[in-house]
Amino acid sequence: QKEVEQNSGPLSVPEGAIASLNCTYSDRGSQSFFWYRQYSGKSPELIMFIYSNGDKEDGRFTAQLNKASQYVSLLIRDSQPSDSATYLCAGLEGGKLIFGQGTELSVKP
Amino acid sequence: EAQVTQNPRYLITVTGKKLTVTCSQNMNHEYMSWYRQDPGLGLRQIYYSMNVEVTDKGDVPEGYKVSRKEKRNFPLILESPSPNQTSLYFCATCDSSYEQYFGPGTRLTVT
Repeated sequence: QKEVEQNSGPLSVPEGAIASLNCTYSDRGSQSFFWYRQYSGKSPELIMFIYSNGDKEDGRFTAQLNKASQYVSLLIRDSQPSDSATYLCAGLEGGKLIFGQGTELSVKP
Repeated sequence: EAQVTQNPRYLITVTGKKLTVTCSQNMNHEYMSWYRQDPGLGLRQIYYSMNVEVTDKGDVPEGYKVSRKEKRNFPLILESPSPNQTSLYFCATCDSSYEQYFGPGTRLTVT
């Protein structure tokens, strides 16, 4: 069974800090990874995707992929209360997205 | 505006009463899928469709049916709902870069 694992949290950080969200995956065949943000009661929305080893930056968000360690992370710099949400990691394998359980992030003013 | 619509948004029903949740997209995407989301279990794929008249089972297909008679629509059918199908359901479409676009969700309660 291919798996994507996340710590469910909640992860609590103060406003302005860096939030670090982590994800591990079991299938070495997974090539691309996606980070989604989901506010309570709403549908997931895509933040970033990454398919190459290393870092990918987009504004306050940085995705990191380490294929050797089967590890994906999302860093949120200068965290804001509006970043409080559940963050879903997903891996693409064989044309299918496998989602982790999600990590709940709370940014305290 | 590109969008995925689902109806109904909220539904309370009783065990065994057939129901259909509709999903429609205006992005001309070939790939559509249905997920259910439960606390602690994340998003799990129920069924997906690569194109018209092409459907396949996801991870949790038991108790569900789908059809894809036209590109824009992908209804989810529960022939005989049971309480363990109480969940939040999302329809999604996928473009060629595998970015998923989710509908607003349907919260189903089966008593």
